[in-house]
Amino acid sequence: AQKITQTQPGMFVQEKEAVTLDCTYDTSDQSYGLFWYKQPSSGEMIFLIYQGSYDEQNATEGRYSLNFQKARKSANLVISASQLGDSAMYFCAMREGSVIYNQGGKLIFGQGTELSVKP
Amino acid sequence: EAQVTQNPRYLITVTGKKLTVTCSQNMNHEYMSWYRQDPGLGLRQIYYSMNVEATDKGDVPEGYKVSRKEKRNFPLILESPSPNQTSLYFCASSLGSTGEKLFFGSGTQLSVL
Repeated sequence: AQKITQTQPGMFVQEKEAVTLDCTYDTSDQSYGLFWYKQPSSGEMIFLIYQGSYDEQNATEGRYSLNFQKARKSANLVISASQLGDSAMYFCAMREGSVIYNQGGKLIFGQGTELSVKP
Repeated sequence: EAQVTQNPRYLITVTGKKLTVTCSQNMNHEYMSWYRQDPGLGLRQIYYSMNVEATDKGDVPEGYKVSRKEKRNFPLILESPSPNQTSLYFCASSLGSTGEKLFFGSGTQLSVL
């Protein structure tokens, strides 16, 4: 069965330092997508980064990168040069299924990691 | 502006009084879905729809109904709400399947007394 685990309920990081948020997943499917979303205190869900299971390179989006280790089933989010505005809840999520066959209806989220950036 | 619109933003109701939370997207997305967010549990999927007239259960469908009669709308119906359905609800949509990111609505905070 699908499962996403985020083992860090809360984390602190000093401003301008890098931080890694952990995410491990479990799936028996070969085709899946992994996502990270940010939820600031205002409540909206903001897409950060995506990694496909067949992508050979780690995804990067500005200060965000995804450390994808397929054999270990981990998809950790790395935020470089943390800013005060990075303080938020972060969710890892997974969609299973073939893109070709338009699957991917089911989507699961981890429990979230609350990141606090200290000045 | 491309967006997913949920209404209402806040809702307080009483046990057993039927309610509907509306969700509409203007991006011509095929896929729409509903989630509830509870502290310590992350977001859990209630229902999803791959296209018009195609809906399917997520992980926590009990006590909820949905319909997808037109592409842009995907209402969430609570026929007889109970206090354990007090939660923050999100609607989301995407172009299609596995590789597509979700666009989220602003959320609906529901309290059932």
